[in-house]
Amino acid sequence: GDSVTQMEGPVTLSEEAFLTINCTYTATGYPSLFWYVQYPGEGLQLLLKATKADDKGSNKGFEATYRKETTSFHLEKGSVQVSDSAVYFCALPRDGDDKIIFGKGTRLHILP
Amino acid sequence: GAGVSQSPRYKVAKRGQDVALRCDPISGHVSLFWYQQALGQGPEFLTYFQNEAQLDKSGLPSDRFFAERPEGSVSTLKIQRTQQEDSAVYLCASSPTRGYGYTFGSGTRLTVV
Repeated sequence: GDSVTQMEGPVTLSEEAFLTINCTYTATGYPSLFWYVQYPGEGLQLLLKATKADDKGSNKGFEATYRKETTSFHLEKGSVQVSDSAVYFCALPRDGDDKIIFGKGTRLHILP
Repeated sequence: GAGVSQSPRYKVAKRGQDVALRCDPISGHVSLFWYQQALGQGPEFLTYFQNEAQLDKSGLPSDRFFAERPEGSVSTLKIQRTQQEDSAVYLCASSPTRGYGYTFGSGTRLTVV
């Protein structure tokens, strides 16, 4: 079945460091791909998405490119801030319906 | 309302107690979803409504879990005879139509002691 695998955390970086959080997927067809973010004490927020191969989603300095050949959707940011500390989830909609399948999440800590 | 509202934010229940968790979706949103998020895990699908119709309840872990949305707006997730393994954050999400994308609420953290 459809699934998402993302790198385990926690990931700890210093402010202004470069960030990569890896995500690979298994799916029937070519679904949209999402990154959600969960800040402490808050619900999930859609961070960015891509709807087809080679699309790049971007928001708040974060980017992810839909790579069909490697079935990947890695999240990157060139210079992280303390305020980026959160849990990040890679996700995709299950084929045929609206249910979203989430990865286990990657906790990110940014040190000042 | 401006967002998806869930109440209570926190609930502590004694094992065996019944609980009811409420979700107020964004006004006019047709689709409503419930997810369960265990500690350190990603959210797992529980059930889905389109208006008042419960179209999919395949994710409900046992017959102790019951959800309803009688008038197609507010939804309640009820858990009977709570067990420790029910401890999790319960997330509600709504969407204006199929395929549009979700807006999540902040969740209800249930702790069963």
